[in-house]
Amino acid sequence: QSALIQPASVSGSPGQSITISCTGATSDIGTYNYVSWYQQYPGKAPKLIIYAVNVRPSGVSSRFSGSKSGNTASLIISGLQTEDEADYYCNSYTNSNTWVFGGGTRLTVL
Amino acid sequence: EVQLVESGGGLVKPGGSLRLSCAASGFTFNTYSMTWVRQAPGKGLEWVSGISSRSDYIYYADSVKGRFTISRDNAKNSLYLQMDSLRAEDTALYYCARYGDYEIDYWGQGTLVTVSS
Repeated sequence: QSALIQPASVSGSPGQSITISCTGATSDIGTYNYVSWYQQYPGKAPKLIIYAVNVRPSGVSSRFSGSKSGNTASLIISGLQTEDEADYYCNSYTNSNTWVFGGGTRLTVL
Repeated sequence: EVQLVESGGGLVKPGGSLRLSCAASGFTFNTYSMTWVRQAPGKGLEWVSGISSRSDYIYYADSVKGRFTISRDNAKNSLYLQMDSLRAEDTALYYCARYGDYEIDYWGQGTLVTVSS
């Protein structure tokens, strides 16, 4: 149950696009399309922003999108806004019937 | 409106026990799988345990297996986490959360567990 691997931090300017990667293994991301992404502001509970690799829940901005290739999933945020500055976590179902999170990525909007 | 309210956190000595509770409302509790996720201070999210809607499937992270027990009472719309043999590394904010299909779609605000002598 090793954590999925995410970059510790990414940054971008308002209006730009950024990508956050999430690397797992054939036991999780590589086999299952059950990858989800969460946004967390300091002192707040996480919020679901992407599930099933690339599905946005109702009410989530279309600026957020997801993809997957092999053992790596990605979260893409386009048209960066200052309000996007937060921590982002990926999550995947595994072949052990458990779930595993990534270590988290701090997004800074410069 | 879906609401998940955790309780039962607090300060406990290493080796001690604590029972967390989660009161659910705003949805049909007995049709959803539930989970506990924790977050150590300043750290990332860690999946702890999950339970199916009728308690027929239960899973744990290796880090808590044999020490923690998840359970639910569908008649009381409540989820529980019995934590025994607590260690300093179990110190964290514990979130109660609901599964959609294979994603967590709703989270509580968390209850803080501190393990310290």
